[in-house]
Amino acid sequence: GAVVSQHPSRVICKSGTSVKIECRSLDFQATTMFWYRQFPKKSLMLMATSNEGSKATYEQGVEKDKFLINHASLTLSTLTVTSAHPEDSSFYICSAITSGDSYNEQFFGPGTRLTVL
Amino acid sequence: AQRVTQPEKLLSVFKGAPVELKCNYSYSGSPELFWYVQYSRQRLQLLLRHISRESIKGFTADLNKGETSFHLKKPFAQEEDSAMYYCALRAGAQKLVFGQGTRLTINP
Repeated sequence: GAVVSQHPSRVICKSGTSVKIECRSLDFQATTMFWYRQFPKKSLMLMATSNEGSKATYEQGVEKDKFLINHASLTLSTLTVTSAHPEDSSFYICSAITSGDSYNEQFFGPGTRLTVL
Repeated sequence: AQRVTQPEKLLSVFKGAPVELKCNYSYSGSPELFWYVQYSRQRLQLLLRHISRESIKGFTADLNKGETSFHLKKPFAQEEDSAMYYCALRAGAQKLVFGQGTRLTINP
């Protein structure tokens, strides 16, 4: 199956700093990527949908100026958490869809654990 | 509004016993439902989708529109089935709405 990677897998930062998380599709072109946030023992909450070359679509309640998403190529989307605060600490997961799949199956990355001190 | 409910956060059964993980949904449109599984220290992966009507690793799930349910079943549980299971609903063209997940533990 298709492989999605995320970098870094784990990051610790100070409050007020910005953190960038990368999501890459390794062996396919991802027309659409999704960013999720997962709290401990909770479900995945969709934050935004990212289409290559266009602005991301954010879910209700997600601050677009706080969580900047860039999908500059068909294999890379980035999520930047700006001016991070401890409440932003979470597990961030991306997924990707390839245009060649009629099922639109989402392939998930391994996730990035963000800890804001 | 779209919603997926998995009433059991934890489920523990003995090896060889039948397993049923419950999933109920709320969606005004024509639903497309999935089960995802996350084994320990691994990423989330698709287990099965209702439109395929397939059995994967011995698991099956039938969409019941009358009861708005999509329960996951396996007649004989195996230890390697221990994992976190998420039911998901496709709302719109691509967006997935996930349930809260059920942690399944198979006891030897």
